[in-house]
Parts: sequence; C-alpha cells; structure tokens
Amino acid sequence: SQTIHQWPATLVQPVGSPLSLECTVEGTSNPNLYWYRQAAGRGLQLLFYSVGIGQISSEVPQNLSASRPQDRQFILSSKKLLLSDSGFYLCAWSVPTSGGETQYFGPGTRLLVL
Amino acid sequence: KQEVTQIPAALSVPEGENLVLNCSFTDSAIYNLQWFRQDPGKGLTSLLLIQSSQREQTSGRLNASLDKSSGRSTLYIAASQPGDSATYLCAVSPSGTYKYIFGTGTRLKVLA
Repeated sequence: SQTIHQWPATLVQPVGSPLSLECTVEGTSNPNLYWYRQAAGRGLQLLFYSVGIGQISSEVPQNLSASRPQDRQFILSSKKLLLSDSGFYLCAWSVPTSGGETQYFGPGTRLLVL
Repeated sequence: KQEVTQIPAALSVPEGENLVLNCSFTDSAIYNLQWFRQDPGKGLTSLLLIQSSQREQTSGRLNASLDKSSGRSTLYIAASQPGDSATYLCAVSPSGTYKYIFGTGTRLKVLA
C-alpha cells in the first residue's frame, strides 16, 4: 500500500533562517507531487507541483522553492524565512488512472516563523 | 480563473440528522471533483472522487453528486454522528491540468 511521509511535524524558526521540508512517498512510481500551504482560517493554496524528476511548476510568486531530486521525494525550501511563511504545509501525491486522479495527503508540517 | 466556494462555512447539527454540504465552482471545464475531510491539525483524508463524466459517488453514509453544467456539487451525510465532526473540503481539477483548486471548507460539528 502507498504511504506518504512528511517531516518534521512541527517547526519553529526565526525570521531570516533557512527552511527545508521533506516529503517522501512509498509504494507507487512516478507520482504527481504537490506542496500546499494552509494559513490559519484560510483554504489550501497550491504552491508547487511536479510531474517528474526535476520538473517543478510554481503557482504563486513567493519566498519558497521546491525540488524533486528523486522520483518519490519532494522538498520545499527557503533561503530566508519571512513571518508570512508561517502556516501548515501539506504534501500530496496522485497518480492518473482510468478511475480518475485521487489526491492523497501527508500529515503536514506546522511552521511557525517568529 | 476557477474559484471554488463552500457554503455554509460552519454547521452545527444534532446527532442523527441528515445533512448536505454545498460546493460551487465557476468553470464547468473540470476533470475531477474530490471531497476531503480534515480533522484539526491533521492532513486531508480523501472521501469521494467524482470524475467529470459521473453524476454521483457513494461510500457508506456519504453520497456526493456533481452537476457540471451548473457548477455544483453536494456532499450528503446520512445519520450524522459525533465522529463526523471535522472540516469538509471540496476541490476541483480543471481540465488539462494536474492541479486541484480548493474551497475554504465547511466546519461541521455534530452534537451528541
């Protein structure tokens, strides 16, 4: 069966510090991978998605970047965090099938920038 | 630009009631529509996926319908239970993309 892991679960970082959040998927090959951010009281905002190794699409201009060094690994990074980067970061994967493309989410990382 | 709206934003009902959550979207050119559940501080759990060619999907006490032409989907929960308390999110995948656009959710509380 497929599983998705995210770490760390919680992170408190000072403004201006770097960031690296990691997401890995097990039990599937060549998934589409996604990074979302959920700010307090707001919906999910798609930040990045990837359809293959090294292929990254950015949805909104921001202080963050993403990389996909391996098929089932997706990394979210920042060189210098801003207060506005605080939020709940969710990674998701999907694989197109004849039955549609269900998205499956990881447990999330709660980031607080102080 | 696709926009997804969910009404109501919050709902509180007594246990045992049947209820309907609404989702509307502005562009009918969609590939999929998916309903999710999110418990506080947790990730999202997929409940039902409806392909654009389908009208409804059922899983246990849940039934989701899709009317693409009117840009609407409903999630019907039968015989609600306190364990159903969570935020329910709908998301649409625009045709020709790999993306999902999410609504802001309906926060449901089922009272024992």
